[in-house]
Amino acid sequence: AQSVTQLGSHVSVSEGALVLLRCNYSSSVPPYLFWYVQYPNQGLQLLLKYTSAATLVKGINGFEAEFKKSETSFHLTKPSAHMSDAAEYFCAVSAGGGNEKLTFGTGTRLTIIP
Amino acid sequence: DVKVTQSSRYLVKRTGEKVFLECVQDMDHENMFWYRQDPGLGLRLIYFSYDVKMKEKGDIPEGYSVSREKKERFSLILESASTNQTSMYLCASSSRIQGKLRETQYFGPGTRLLVL
Repeated sequence: AQSVTQLGSHVSVSEGALVLLRCNYSSSVPPYLFWYVQYPNQGLQLLLKYTSAATLVKGINGFEAEFKKSETSFHLTKPSAHMSDAAEYFCAVSAGGGNEKLTFGTGTRLTIIP
Repeated sequence: DVKVTQSSRYLVKRTGEKVFLECVQDMDHENMFWYRQDPGLGLRLIYFSYDVKMKEKGDIPEGYSVSREKKERFSLILESASTNQTSMYLCASSSRIQGKLRETQYFGPGTRLLVL
């Protein structure tokens, strides 16, 4: 069975500062890993996805994440925060290889301080 | 662009009512999902369908049922709504066809349900 832990339910950063959102996973098989973003009153939108190709994955809006097997982590980063990045972010894991179900973390709400 | 639509953005129902939440996707996706989202709990899978008339229980199926009569439509049914079913309900779909977008789930805007 897979599971995801997101450390920090709320994160605040200043505009222009580094964004770091943490995600650790547990999986008995090589995982597929996802980051989704949810803006207020909207559904979830895919930011990026890791599927065992390159360990550094680049996504939309300047976000990227690095898969580190030894640390079972898939942290999301952005070098310079923008006000429009304020949203809730979800990390998710699947067993891959045709297992379509995702297991989501509990989410991290990102606040940007002007 | 993939589009997943949900029949209502906001819904208010009374305890004991039968509630139908409808979801339609326009990308010919094989898989469809219903989740509920609650603060501090993230998204939890209620039911999953990988084909017409096929369904599989998720993590929290109690009090819910689903129907998938057509490939593009997946309905969530609350047989007798209760106050603990007040939540945000999200529908998603994904493809089973090989390719980089396989298994990526596409979400609708959500239905916020209040049961009084």
